[in-house]
Amino acid sequence: DAKTTQPPSMDCAEGRAANLPCNHSTISGNEYVYWYRQIHSQGPQYIIHGLKNNETNEMASLIITEDRKSSTLILPHATLRDTAVYYCIVRGSNTGNQFYFGTGTSLTVIP
Amino acid sequence: NAGVMQNPRHLVRRRGQEARLRCSPMKGHSHVYWYRQLPEEGLKFMVYLQKENIIDESGMPKERFSAEFPKEGPSILRIQQVVRGDSAAYFCASSPTGQGGVGELFFGEGSRLTVL
Repeated sequence: DAKTTQPPSMDCAEGRAANLPCNHSTISGNEYVYWYRQIHSQGPQYIIHGLKNNETNEMASLIITEDRKSSTLILPHATLRDTAVYYCIVRGSNTGNQFYFGTGTSLTVIP
Repeated sequence: NAGVMQNPRHLVRRRGQEARLRCSPMKGHSHVYWYRQLPEEGLKFMVYLQKENIIDESGMPKERFSAEFPKEGPSILRIQQVVRGDSAAYFCASSPTGQGGVGELFFGEGSRLTVL
């Protein structure tokens, strides 16, 4: 199912940048990297996605390495409300274009 | 624009009863996905439907589970003869584009099934 590897948990101080890594060494050329988060058993929330280039929106930045085998989600100024499980997902024709969620990274933002 | 609506939010059933979970996608979305999340686990894909068609049910258990998305009305996930192991949160998601697109999924708040 999931084609990604993420650390199970991370801490981040409030106000600092949170950098969440993801390895996807078997990613194919037409597969996108998506990030979602799930706050305390709520429905998952879309954050950002990208193919090759770095992406930025109002929530976060996505940095994808040149070989596309790994990526980093950056929350520039983490707040307590960013405490959640963050899922990195590879999606494309090789995965039936489905979103397969792994176990994600549990991020705790510390006051 | 209302988001993905799921009901009931909480459902309690006794073993052997039937559970019906409903999902109304976002306006203009014709693609619906169902996921199951067991306690302390990640989300597991169950089924992907378009209006009146099941496109991918590779994640559905072979027995007791079925899903539909009729031309009119919400998508329904039906679990017959529930067992305690069916206790989980069931999330529905919708998308304006299907497998060929790169659009994101929009999730509902989930339906939490408890089997006594």
